Amino acid sequence: SQTIHQWPATLVQPVGSPLSLECTVEGTSNPNLYWYRQAAGRGLQLLFYSVGIGQISSEVPQNLSASRPQDRQFILSSKKLLLSDSGFYLCAWLVERGQFFGPGTRLTVL
Amino acid sequence: RKEVEQDPGPFNVPEGATVAFNCTYSNSASQSFFWYRQDCRKEPKLLMSVYSSGNEDGRFTAQLNRASQYISLLIRDSKLSDSATYLCVVTRSGSARQLTFGSGTQLTVLP
Repeated sequence: SQTIHQWPATLVQPVGSPLSLECTVEGTSNPNLYWYRQAAGRGLQLLFYSVGIGQISSEVPQNLSASRPQDRQFILSSKKLLLSDSGFYLCAWLVERGQFFGPGTRLTVL
Repeated sequence: RKEVEQDPGPFNVPEGATVAFNCTYSNSASQSFFWYRQDCRKEPKLLMSVYSSGNEDGRFTAQLNRASQYISLLIRDSKLSDSATYLCVVTRSGSARQLTFGSGTQLTVLP
């Protein structure tokens, strides 16, 4: 069956620390993958998307980067977190009927 | 103007009520349309696609008016479990791969 995993589920990090969030999918090959951020009380903002290994498109200039080292793995990173990076980070993949989301990582930057 | 705009809500309705959400989108080239629901502190989940002819899934009815660039969701016989935020979603112009999400409308169904 098709599933999408994200970890960790929650994370509290100090300002200036690095970040690495991982997303993996199962039961599919060559998926289109997406990273979104949802700030408290706000809508979803598309950060990055990837149509294949090593192929990353960035939607907004920011403090974050993404990588696709393997077909079913999508990583979101930062070298130095800012307070404004706090939010709910969601990984999604494209299927015929829309996009399906992973359970998300709730990041708090202090 | 936002690409996708929704009723701000919140909507507080009694159990059994019928409630309707509206959504407008700015890009006439958008091709696909969806409604997602998001429970508090959870990921969004696809509720239903929206087709030009309108479509129904149990108590939920979605309609699309391309001329007016307007999408609606009707929920009949509301249940407590329908309480959630409902997100209107459209594909971006020229790309079937990227979705644009509205900010959502919060629904609370009261006992």
